[in-house]
Amino acid sequence: GDSVTQMEGPVTLSEEAFLTINCTYTATGYPSLFWYVQYPGEGLQLLLKATKADDKGSNKGFEATYRKETTSFHLEKGSVQVSDSAVYFCALRGNFGNEKLTFGTGTRLTIIP
Amino acid sequence: DAGVTQSPTHLIKTRGQHVTLRCSPISGHKSVSWYQQVLGQGPQFIFQYYEKEERGRGNFPDRFSARQFPNYSSELNVNALLLGDSALYLCASSGRTSGRKYTDTQYFGPGTRLTVL
Repeated sequence: GDSVTQMEGPVTLSEEAFLTINCTYTATGYPSLFWYVQYPGEGLQLLLKATKADDKGSNKGFEATYRKETTSFHLEKGSVQVSDSAVYFCALRGNFGNEKLTFGTGTRLTIIP
Repeated sequence: DAGVTQSPTHLIKTRGQHVTLRCSPISGHKSVSWYQQVLGQGPQFIFQYYEKEERGRGNFPDRFSARQFPNYSSELNVNALLLGDSALYLCASSGRTSGRKYTDTQYFGPGTRLTVL
């Protein structure tokens, strides 16, 4: 079945550092890929998405490129801020006629001023 | 537009009891999905409903059931609660909003925190 493997955390960075959170997936066909963010005490918010190979999703300075050859969708940001502290989830949606999202286990990111 | 709303925010039950969680989708969205998020893990898919019909079901026991109403709101029911059912239950909606292109991107509500004692 479908699965998502995320870089294990927690990750602690200094403000303005470069961020990479690794995500790889296993799926049949051509899934859509997502990054969601969860701030403390809140639900999930869509951060960015990509629906086909070589697509780049971007939002709020975050980027991720759909790499089918390496089955990866790594999240990057050039300069992180304290406000980026949250838990980040990589997810995929397969092509089975429903909207089931399969999530990774999440990566907790803490940015130190 | 108002986002996805869920009620109640928090709930405490004892083992063996039954619980009903409620979700109202974004106006115009016809699809509702439910997820269970155990502390420290990613959300796990429970159900998806579209136009009041079940479109998908995750690997959960029959104690879990759901339904969708004509106004597209939804209920998740869990019978014979176990300690392991303690989790954050998330509802997500997707679909067409008035004047906008259809989107299958799921938008999540804030969740209901269920504690089973």
